[in-house]
Amino acid sequence: QMQLVESGGGVVQPGGSLRLSCAGSGFTFSNHGMHWVRQAPGKGLEWVTFIRYDGTNKYYADSVMGRFTISRDNSKNTLYLQMNSLRSDDTAVYYCARDLWGHQWLPLVPAYWGQGALVTVSS
Amino acid sequence: QSALTQPPSASGSRGQSVTISCTGTSSDVGGHNYVTWYQQHPGKAPKLLIYEVSKRPSGVPDRFSGSKSGNTASLTVSGLQAEDEADYYCSSYGGSNNLLFGGGTILTVL
Repeated sequence: QMQLVESGGGVVQPGGSLRLSCAGSGFTFSNHGMHWVRQAPGKGLEWVTFIRYDGTNKYYADSVMGRFTISRDNSKNTLYLQMNSLRSDDTAVYYCARDLWGHQWLPLVPAYWGQGALVTVSS
Repeated sequence: QSALTQPPSASGSRGQSVTISCTGTSSDVGGHNYVTWYQQHPGKAPKLLIYEVSKRPSGVPDRFSGSKSGNTASLTVSGLQAEDEADYYCSSYGGSNNLLFGGGTILTVL
């Protein structure tokens, strides 16, 4: 059974850093592009970033460009999100999601989602 | 790019049908068929309902259907049931190596 489990959330001060992890199981992790999508409290979904199945292409939303870095370790079936220079408006539940199709190099369909990790940026 | 436009709320009585719209531009919704719909219950992760405008993953009831005309996509829920009360989001490939979401629609079943 396919599963995505996020970890690493918590409380961080403005300007600080945090790294989220997402462990995948029940599917061939190295075959699928992966997304991070966030949801601020009481708000809608916002796409954050995508990484190609082999890690060679990465795309970011303008709101996080230059501050966040997506990466993956296919040998560990794990996706990462390094978040630097955090701001209060980065406070959200961060979901990792697997793209629907294998060997995809564009951010098209986040199909299978983890349970989310809460990141709170506050002094 | 701006988010896609959805009505903030929609409602319908049990057994009736309701349609939720999602409006974008010719660069996103109108430019290809990578339009997706999600259902999200409170405190839960989004669930994939419709992909490629009108395709349903296995396990999604055929009460849920999708369509598109020009720059506007639509999700129709037929035979409304109590468990359909949730938030619904559309998304679309943005055309510039990005993904766009709609602001979400709260569906109330009367």
